[in-house]
Amino acid sequence: LAKTTQPISMDSYEGQEVNITCSHNNIATNDYITWYQQFPSQGPRFIIQGYKTKVTNEVASLFIPADRKSSTLSLPRVSLSDTAVYYCLVGDYSTGRRALTFGSGTRLQVQP
Amino acid sequence: KAGVTQTPRYLIKTRGQQVTLSCSPISGHRSVSWYQQTPGQGLQFLFEYFSETQRNKGNFPGRFSGRQFSNSRSEMNVSTLELGDSALYLCASSFGTKGQETQYFGPGTRLLVL
Repeated sequence: LAKTTQPISMDSYEGQEVNITCSHNNIATNDYITWYQQFPSQGPRFIIQGYKTKVTNEVASLFIPADRKSSTLSLPRVSLSDTAVYYCLVGDYSTGRRALTFGSGTRLQVQP
Repeated sequence: KAGVTQTPRYLIKTRGQQVTLSCSPISGHRSVSWYQQTPGQGLQFLFEYFSETQRNKGNFPGRFSGRQFSNSRSEMNVSTLELGDSALYLCASSFGTKGQETQYFGPGTRLLVL
């Protein structure tokens, strides 16, 4: 069964750029890659979504290589409020049916 | 627009009982997906409904079922509860083309099975 993998945790300091990578080697051909942020006892919150190359919005950038087997979420100049768990979400066809598969999540701790 | 709402927010049940959770999607969203979140297994896909039809299903036993109504509201049911069913159950509604949809999540229902 395909796995969508991410680093378990990352530490950073306020003002630094943070890059979180997700590996998804069985991504469905037409599926986009979506990243979410989750705080304790809340539902995941949409951050950014893309199909290939680079996407940027007001809070993050998403880099996707040509083979689409991975993606990197980039958070510029993090603050304490960015301390959260970050998940990638992709559609996966490894079981024969499309299944929306979350990565294992990366716990980001931002220090002052 | 109002966000995705889930009721109840918290629930305590005992083994062997059944439970029904409710989800109201964002207005205009026709797709509703359900996920189970536990510390050990992370976020796992349960099923997706679109226009009252189950469109996709994850790898969960038949004790987990769902349905969607004509107004896109959805319910999920878990029968014969087990201790391992204790989890945060998340509902997400979405719009857009399949594969390109953006999911918006509710706050979740935290279920504790004793």
